[in-house]
Amino acid sequence: EAQVTQNPRYLITVTGKKLTVTCSQNMNHEYMSWYRQDPGLGLRQIYYSMNVEVTDKGDVPEGYKVSRKEKRNFPLILESPSPNQTSLYFCASSALTSGVHAIEQFFGPGTRLTVL
Amino acid sequence: GNSVTQMEGPVTLSEEAFLTINCTYTATGYPSLFWYVQYPGEGLQLLLKATKADDKGSNKGFEATYRKETTSFHLEKGSVQVSDSAVYFCAPSHYGGSQGNLIFGKGTKLSVKP
Repeated sequence: EAQVTQNPRYLITVTGKKLTVTCSQNMNHEYMSWYRQDPGLGLRQIYYSMNVEVTDKGDVPEGYKVSRKEKRNFPLILESPSPNQTSLYFCASSALTSGVHAIEQFFGPGTRLTVL
Repeated sequence: GNSVTQMEGPVTLSEEAFLTINCTYTATGYPSLFWYVQYPGEGLQLLLKATKADDKGSNKGFEATYRKETTSFHLEKGSVQVSDSAVYFCAPSHYGGSQGNLIFGKGTKLSVKP
C-alpha cells in the first residue's frame, strides 16, 4: 500500500530535550516536505526536499533541522524544543513532473507534539 | 511569491444545502491548483485538482474550476452531507526551478448538521 508513515504519532516532551520525528514514504517520490498545523494559521511549510541531499527552508524553519540521506526518509529534528513548537506536524511526499513541479502531495497521519 | 486567500470559516450548513468555499491565489506562471480535505483526526488527502485554465476538477460531488482570469478556484457542492464535515484547504503548486516552497490556504472548517 502506498503510504507516508510518521513516528511517533503523539509525543510529550520537555523544553530543551532533543527529539526526532521520522517520516518515510514507499512511493519513490523525489519531493518531501514537513508542515505544522496550528489553529488559525492553517498549514505552514517548515522544510522541503527536492531530492536526496537537497533540502531548503520553507516559511517557518526556525528551530528545526532536516536531512535527506535516502530518498524514502526525511526526518524532522528539533535540537532544543520550546513550547512554541507545540503543534500538529505533517510529513508529505510528491512525485515531480519534469523534475521540478510538485504534483499531488500524499500526507502522513500527523504527529501531535507537546513541549512543556 | 505565491499566496492564497481562502474563505474564513467555520461554515455550518444543514444537510442538502449548497456549499461554496472561495479560494483566490497569486502565483508566478501557471500553477496547478488543488483542494485537499482533512477529516477529523486524519492527515490531508487530495479532494480534486486542475492543471490548466478552464479545467474542472471533480470528486465525491465536489467541483472546482480553474479560472485564470480571476485567479480563483472556488470549491462547490450542490448538496452536502454530514459526512462532508471536515476542513478544506486550497493550495496552488509551483512550476519551475528550485521553487519547491508550497503554500496552503488557512483552511475552512465545514460542519454539516442533520
